[in-house]
Amino acid sequence: QVQLVESGGGLVRPGGSLRLSCAASGFTFSDYYMSWIRQAPEKGLEWLSYISGSSGHTPYADSVKGRFTISRDNAKNSLFLQMNSLRDEDTAVYYCARVGTAAAAGIIDYWGQGTLVTVSA
Amino acid sequence: DIQMTQSPSSLSASVGDRVTITCRASQGIGNYLAWFQQKPGKAPKSLIYGTSSLQSGVPSKFSGSGSGTDFTLTISSLQPEDFATYYCQQYNSYPPTFGQGTKLEIK
Repeated sequence: QVQLVESGGGLVRPGGSLRLSCAASGFTFSDYYMSWIRQAPEKGLEWLSYISGSSGHTPYADSVKGRFTISRDNAKNSLFLQMNSLRDEDTAVYYCARVGTAAAAGIIDYWGQGTLVTVSA
Repeated sequence: DIQMTQSPSSLSASVGDRVTITCRASQGIGNYLAWFQQKPGKAPKSLIYGTSSLQSGVPSKFSGSGSGTDFTLTISSLQPEDFATYYCQQYNSYPPTFGQGTKLEIK
């Protein structure tokens, strides 16, 4: 069965960096786009970025462009989010999600359990 | 960016009821509309994609309809496990955007 397990969250000071990971299993990882989506406390869902199976396509939300970098290691079935220059407003639960094959790009079908990132002095 | 607006923001209903949640896009999105269910403290769960196609394992009590800018999610015969927050999402164009959520509560 499809499993997505995030890790790497924690408490970080404003201006600091953090790297999130998502370990995938139960499917052919390289066939699928993957995404990071976050949810601030008591707020709605915010899409952050996609990455294609070949890593050739990586759009970002304006709120994180230039600060966050999505990447993947298909040999290790892993997705990453490098977060730099963190701000208070980046405090959220971060979810990785499977997005679908190229033919069905954009369709989110599975979510991880999330990892909490808290940015505070 | 395409803005997605859900109504109502909250809804009270009883077990056994049939409810409908509406999602409106600020511009046409074809049928590139998905619905998600989220329970407190849990990750979202994917329910519907392509406006009306059920994700694997999702019961047929959930149904979606619409096209262009106006979409609906209908849940028939509400059960206790259906009380949650529901989000719509467009994936017609970047960036994908979500509605603000509709909280479905037990009356």
